[in-house]
Amino acid sequence: DGGITQSPKYLFRKEGQNVTLSCEQNLNHDAMYWYRQDPGQGLRLIYYSQIVNDFQKGDIAEGYSVSREKKESFPLTVTSAQKNPTAFYLCASSPGTGFSGANVLTFGAGSRLTVL
Amino acid sequence: RKEVEQDPGPFNVPEGATVAFNCTYSNSASQSFFWYRQDCRKEPKLLMSVYSSGNEDGRFTAQLNRASQYISLLIRDSKLSDSATYLCVVATLGGYQKVTFGIGTKLQVIP
Repeated sequence: DGGITQSPKYLFRKEGQNVTLSCEQNLNHDAMYWYRQDPGQGLRLIYYSQIVNDFQKGDIAEGYSVSREKKESFPLTVTSAQKNPTAFYLCASSPGTGFSGANVLTFGAGSRLTVL
Repeated sequence: RKEVEQDPGPFNVPEGATVAFNCTYSNSASQSFFWYRQDCRKEPKLLMSVYSSGNEDGRFTAQLNRASQYISLLIRDSKLSDSATYLCVVATLGGYQKVTFGIGTKLQVIP
């Protein structure tokens, strides 16, 4: 079945460490996204990518980095510069970035990062 | 004012009840509207898109009121399995489309 695979599902990190969250999709979608979800807040966009080798900052990109070397892969690195990294991270994809009834976001199962 | 506002709830309703959620948005240029369902500690999943003419999918009905800038979700004959958080999602065309998520409304259907 086509879908989005995120790993790891749970991750614990010590302060000062960088961690990389994996996101792989086999939906042949052009666009991929990283969101962060915190209690009491809506999902917030970290980075997005429309095509291979291109990506754009979202609303809360500080302390994060991404790459898009392959269409199916969009890993997110949470760096030590991110001051409050404990959160639920969701990767998503869509056929394009023009949202419509036929072009909606599909999410992976998420990665829950806890900083100790 | 938040771009997308939802009552976080929780809405506690008995099985079989009808329940309605509203979501207001501030940007009159918003183009596309969706309801997503999110179970506890899981990813959001698309429940339905919201069209100008309104749309229905089984027990679920979504409506859009552009004049008052809100969308609604009506659930009839609530089931225990409907217990979840319902996210309102609004997309606005502006260069690369901007998608804004509401904080979600939590529904608990009780036996």
